[in-house]
Amino acid sequence: GQSLEQPSEVTAVEGAIVQINCTYQTSGFYGLSWYQQHDGGAPTFLSYNGLDGLEETGRFSSFLSRSDSYGYLLLQELQMKDSASYFCAVRGGGYQKVTFGTGTKLQVIP
Amino acid sequence: GAVVSQHPSWVICKSGTSVKIECRSLDFQATTMFWYRQFPKQSLMLMATSNEGSKATYEQGVEKDKFLINHASLTLSTLTVTSAHPEDSSFYICSAPGTVASTDTQYFGPGTRLTVL
Repeated sequence: GQSLEQPSEVTAVEGAIVQINCTYQTSGFYGLSWYQQHDGGAPTFLSYNGLDGLEETGRFSSFLSRSDSYGYLLLQELQMKDSASYFCAVRGGGYQKVTFGTGTKLQVIP
Repeated sequence: GAVVSQHPSWVICKSGTSVKIECRSLDFQATTMFWYRQFPKQSLMLMATSNEGSKATYEQGVEKDKFLINHASLTLSTLTVTSAHPEDSSFYICSAPGTVASTDTQYFGPGTRLTVL
């Protein structure tokens, strides 16, 4: 089966940098994705890592180490609107089947 | 592009009734769609994979006779919650895989909040 673990909550100051970690166990692995979800809304895609290394998309970067079954999402220059839940997700255990992590609620404070 | 819509956005029903939720890909074709359920402050739990023209694949523990999925066209999948009970109250979200395999994007509908009284 698939399991992905994330810290449940993180608090950071506006303008700072925060890292959200994700460790996973999967049967079959096709890549690690990150999604943002505001309260009451649907998840929106942020980033994807199919290979080891760092992917940068504006203020957001994501890292993957397949040998360690580990990845993280890095958010820079935090803004109040970044307060949301963040989920890592893996595709595996069946073509295109996506399993979501436990989720991290990020609170950005002034 | 790559917009997924859901209808209704919210629904309140009485216990024992059935509720149908529609998921549409508006500007692309989706041979596969996914249905998720999300309880408050929890993660998204995959319920089933909807395949156009064939039977849906349900995750372990999901009752296929209670959660009926139909994927009759390349742009529409429906989830019917039959004989709904208060414990079925949840946020139901559909998604469709993006068309660019290298990004592995999932496009989500806005979700349907179901409340069963």
